[in-house]
Amino acid sequence: AQKVTQAQTEISVVEKEDVTLDCVYETRDTTYYLFWYKQPPSGELVFLIRRNSFDEQNEISGRYSWNFQKSTSSFNFTITASQVVDSAVYFCALRPGNTGKLIFGQGTTLQVKP
Amino acid sequence: ETGVTQTPRHLVMGMTNKKSLKCEQHLGHNAMYWYKQSAKKPLELMFVYNFKEQTENNSVPSRFSPECPNSSHLFLHLHTLQPEDSALYLCASSLGGTYTDTQYFGPGTRLTVL
Repeated sequence: AQKVTQAQTEISVVEKEDVTLDCVYETRDTTYYLFWYKQPPSGELVFLIRRNSFDEQNEISGRYSWNFQKSTSSFNFTITASQVVDSAVYFCALRPGNTGKLIFGQGTTLQVKP
Repeated sequence: ETGVTQTPRHLVMGMTNKKSLKCEQHLGHNAMYWYKQSAKKPLELMFVYNFKEQTENNSVPSRFSPECPNSSHLFLHLHTLQPEDSALYLCASSLGGTYTDTQYFGPGTRLTVL
């Protein structure tokens, strides 16, 4: 089965705290792609990052960083020094290598309070 | 305009109405997608079009009828919907041709079926 699990339904932090959003995936494919999207209240899904299954290097982009570990089938997302504008729903998604189908997790609602 | 646009942004319809959702992408992409986002379920892929040809139909009821007249436009025709079809309908596009590319989303149409 192909599945994405985001166990944290809601997270609330105070501005400037660091926060990690967990993502665990299941797939039997050897080639696959992992994504994170942000959905602000406006509704549009904003692309954040894509990783392929052969690239386990962690990535940092400003205050955002991602930790990909094939051994634990996890692709976690950390926001450093969170800001109110980071408040949104964050989705982790899996795409098997031979299909255009994106399989989404349930999403994690992040609330950053001033 | 840039990116992926969707109209209307909000739609209220009765169960006997016929309406259409429109999606347009200005990214020069060749693949387009319809997703459904319900309150209680993860984002679900409905249809995929690649170079105007439907390549995936994720067991969607026939009361939803997609149309892709060209690579820039995608429609979702709705008729005799049920209240449980109320959801946010998201359109996405990607470069197409292969499955390695990233999907970019529009802002969605919030549909309410009375």
